[in-house]
Amino acid sequence: GNSVTQMEGPVTLSEEAFLTINCTYTATGYPSLFWYVQYPGEGLQLLLKATKADDKGSNKGFEATYRKETTSFHLEKGSVQVSDSAVYFCALDRNQFYFGTGTSLTVIP
Amino acid sequence: ETGVTQSPTHLIKTRGQQVTLRCSSQSGHNTVSWYQQALGQGPQFIFQYYREEENGRGNFPPRFSGLQFPNYSSELNVNALELDDSALYLCASSLDRLPHEQYFGPGTRLTVT
Repeated sequence: GNSVTQMEGPVTLSEEAFLTINCTYTATGYPSLFWYVQYPGEGLQLLLKATKADDKGSNKGFEATYRKETTSFHLEKGSVQVSDSAVYFCALDRNQFYFGTGTSLTVIP
Repeated sequence: ETGVTQSPTHLIKTRGQQVTLRCSSQSGHNTVSWYQQALGQGPQFIFQYYREEENGRGNFPPRFSGLQFPNYSSELNVNALELDDSALYLCASSLDRLPHEQYFGPGTRLTVT
C-alpha cells in the first residue's frame, strides 16, 4: 500500500539552527512527493514538491530531494526563523493524497 | 481572487445526528477534495469531486457523502455521527484534478459529544 512516515516531534530549535525533518515513503509506482506546512488556525499550504526521482524541490529556504533508492524526501533548512514555527506534513500523491502524521516545529529566539 | 472558504468554523453535534459542512472553491477551480484531520494526525482523504461527479474515494464508510454544485462549491454530509468523527475537516480546491496545485481552506472543527 501507500504510506508516509515522518519523524516524531515536537522539534524545538534555536533561531538560525539547521533543520532536518525526516520523511520516508512506501508507494506503488513512482508518486509525486510534497511538503505542506500548517500554521496555527490555518489550512495547509504547499511548501514544495518533487515529481520524479532526484528532483529537488525548494521554497523559502526549504529544500527536499526525492531519493528513490532510499524512498525518502527529507526536509531541510539551513537557518530557521521564529516565523517557521508550524506543523510540517510530508505527503505523496498516488491517485489520492497520503499524508504523514506531521512534525511540530517550534523555533525560539 | 478569493481563496477557499469553509463554513461553519466550529460545530458541536451529538452522536447519531447528521451534519453538513460547506466549502467554496477558489475562483476558477473545478475540483474539490475533502479530508479528515484527527487531532495530532495528518489529513486523511475522504473523497474528491470533479465537475459535480465523485472522482475517487478514500477508506470512509458510505455515511460520508458529498455533493458538488454547478458553481463548484461542495458539501460534505456525515450521517449517524460517531464520537470518532470529531476532527478538523479540510477541503481543498484545484483545477482539473491537479493535486499539486490544490489550495486548502482553514477547515471546520467538528466535535461530536
